[in-house]
Amino acid sequence: SQTIHQWPATLVQPVGSPLSLECTVEGTSNPNLYWYRQAAGRGLQLLFYSVGIGQISSEVPQNLSASRPQDRQFILSSKKLLLSDSGFYLCAWSVAPEHGQPQHFGDGTRLSIL
Amino acid sequence: AQTVTQSQPEMSVQEAETVTLSCTYDTSESNYYLFWYKQPPSRQMILVIRQEAYKQQNATENRFSVNFQKAAKSFSLKISDSQLGDTAMYFCAFIPIGPSNFGNEKLTFGTGTRLTIIP
Repeated sequence: SQTIHQWPATLVQPVGSPLSLECTVEGTSNPNLYWYRQAAGRGLQLLFYSVGIGQISSEVPQNLSASRPQDRQFILSSKKLLLSDSGFYLCAWSVAPEHGQPQHFGDGTRLSIL
Repeated sequence: AQTVTQSQPEMSVQEAETVTLSCTYDTSESNYYLFWYKQPPSRQMILVIRQEAYKQQNATENRFSVNFQKAAKSFSLKISDSQLGDTAMYFCAFIPIGPSNFGNEKLTFGTGTRLTIIP
């Protein structure tokens, strides 16, 4: 069966520090991968998505970046965090979205910027 | 661009009662899928139910069912015999499919409805 791992679960970082959040998927090949951010009490905002290794599409201009160095690995990064980067970050995967296959989410990372 | 609207920020209902959550969407696409996701306090997003726009029959999953009205662009979720474990944020989501969207299928989420089941 397919599983998705996301870490760390919680992270507290000072303003201006770098960031690296990692997401890996097991049990499937060539998944579409997604990074979302959820502000407190709000819906999900798509940040990045990837349809293959090295292929990243950015949805929102910001100081965050994403990379996909391996088929089932998706990394969210920042060189210098801002206070506004605080939130709950979710990674998700799907296969065959063109056939209505749903996205499956990781457990999320709660990021607090001090 | 697609939009998804959930007009009920919060709802509460007594345990064992039935509750309906509203969702409307706006799109010019002719084929798409609609989803309801549940996010309990543990924050994990869990798929509840999905509906293909081309299917007239409303989807059901045990106690969960939808009322899909394509002409009205409405996609409500009904929870029957509600249980304490149903307490969560519920998100409606939309994804367009078809040749013009191939390789670019992205979910659009509503802002959610916080549902509380009262013992």
